[in-house]
Amino acid sequence: DQQVKQNSPSLSVQEGRISILNCDYTNSMFDYFLWYKKYPAEGPTFLISISSIKDKNEDGRFTVFLNKSAKHLSLHIVPSQPGDSAVYFCAASGAGANSKLTFGKGITLSVRP
Amino acid sequence: KAGVTQTPRYLIKTRGQQVTLSCSPISGHRSVSWYQQTPGQGLQFLFEYFSETQRNKGNFPGRFSGRQFSNSRSEMNVSTLELGDSALYLCASSHQLTLPDEQFFGPGTRLTVL
Repeated sequence: DQQVKQNSPSLSVQEGRISILNCDYTNSMFDYFLWYKKYPAEGPTFLISISSIKDKNEDGRFTVFLNKSAKHLSLHIVPSQPGDSAVYFCAASGAGANSKLTFGKGITLSVRP
Repeated sequence: KAGVTQTPRYLIKTRGQQVTLSCSPISGHRSVSWYQQTPGQGLQFLFEYFSETQRNKGNFPGRFSGRQFSNSRSEMNVSTLELGDSALYLCASSHQLTLPDEQFFGPGTRLTVL
């Protein structure tokens, strides 16, 4: 049973526009949510996170929104740049010190020049 | 600070063989996790080691095993390889001192089983 779902496998946007990447989860025990970005031939790199006590976290061009009642989060990238083209993974974990990360299947974002 | 390193980067094996992958975490990190990435399946958790003990395990058959050494370096072993084991195997380390536990990934080992 997939606890973290990224239902859209790909997204294409024009440079300068907003990219919105969505993620849904089923486990109400998740307390932390993270986004990772992955380029080909490299490992994923951490992008931004949010805890369940917040509904928004912003870091430069990247903002993550959390809707706990809907068990939904989204990553907004504004403005999108061609260098943002990568696979984006949503991940979630519980609050325990040894709680493992559960990843979604990823979304391939393509930003057209 | 050096990042997570994985060796080898690429590996080609045949069905039935076994393979050992190695991971050196970031200095000071005591937790090492292993993931399998295949097209369309995302990152699937294999197991996590902390201070030489397996602390979490994913839903993989017993052919997949691992261990961690006293210097936190970790190895993953896959025995009796199957074609479906072809994947990118990623190792991640973390210090687990704060939450959320940000994991730092290595570049991965690309395993091809023929």
